[in-house]
Amino acid sequence: SQQGEEDPQALSIQEGENATMNCSYKTSINNLQWYRQNSGRGLVHLILIRSNEREKHSGRLRVTLDTSKKSSSLLITASRAADTASYFCATANTGTASKLTFGTGTRLQVTL
Amino acid sequence: EPEVTQTPSHQVTQMGQEVILRCVPISNHLYFYWYRQILGQKVEFLVSFYNNEISEKSEIFDDQFSVERPDGSNFTLKIRSTKLEDSAMYFCASSGNLSNEKLFFGSGTQLSVL
Repeated sequence: SQQGEEDPQALSIQEGENATMNCSYKTSINNLQWYRQNSGRGLVHLILIRSNEREKHSGRLRVTLDTSKKSSSLLITASRAADTASYFCATANTGTASKLTFGTGTRLQVTL
Repeated sequence: EPEVTQTPSHQVTQMGQEVILRCVPISNHLYFYWYRQILGQKVEFLVSFYNNEISEKSEIFDDQFSVERPDGSNFTLKIRSTKLEDSAMYFCASSGNLSNEKLFFGSGTQLSVL
């Protein structure tokens, strides 16, 4: 698989439920970030986790990082209809100065 | 809240024509980027720019592409002779005093090459 693969590709849940998205990557990283993209819009930075961190929280977001498995997960708790968007992980790979490598994305649909 | 602005939002051009995509990054940011997203595909890195020079570029960013910061506020991407496969959404982004951390993206320019 390619660097930055998210699963599932699509996720549909009801408002109030939790949403979990996973990201796998292949190379050594300095940090991993999650971005959100509403349809037809730019990406919005959500959270960054560094390679020496294992878990981070920001509001309803919880990110974990397992560098031994080269994987990360994004948990959105108590989802809302407004969380409907595509979510992308992006890695800052070791040895690159300024490039982010984006994953394939998870399309999240939150219904009322 | 400060934001990255891109113009135009849509650009249609004929194959072989030159296009310039424009961006105004956030004013106190030091790092500037162009990414693109072909419909249904991943967001791909094109180029990063710092201290008035390219700091990194991808294999996509060939001799047909160039970037410029002509003044203290604008950041442009020029495609010299467009190809059909250049059709994509082009995103400008900027970040503060650390590269590849917390990028702020514009809403993009949808480029259609006919």
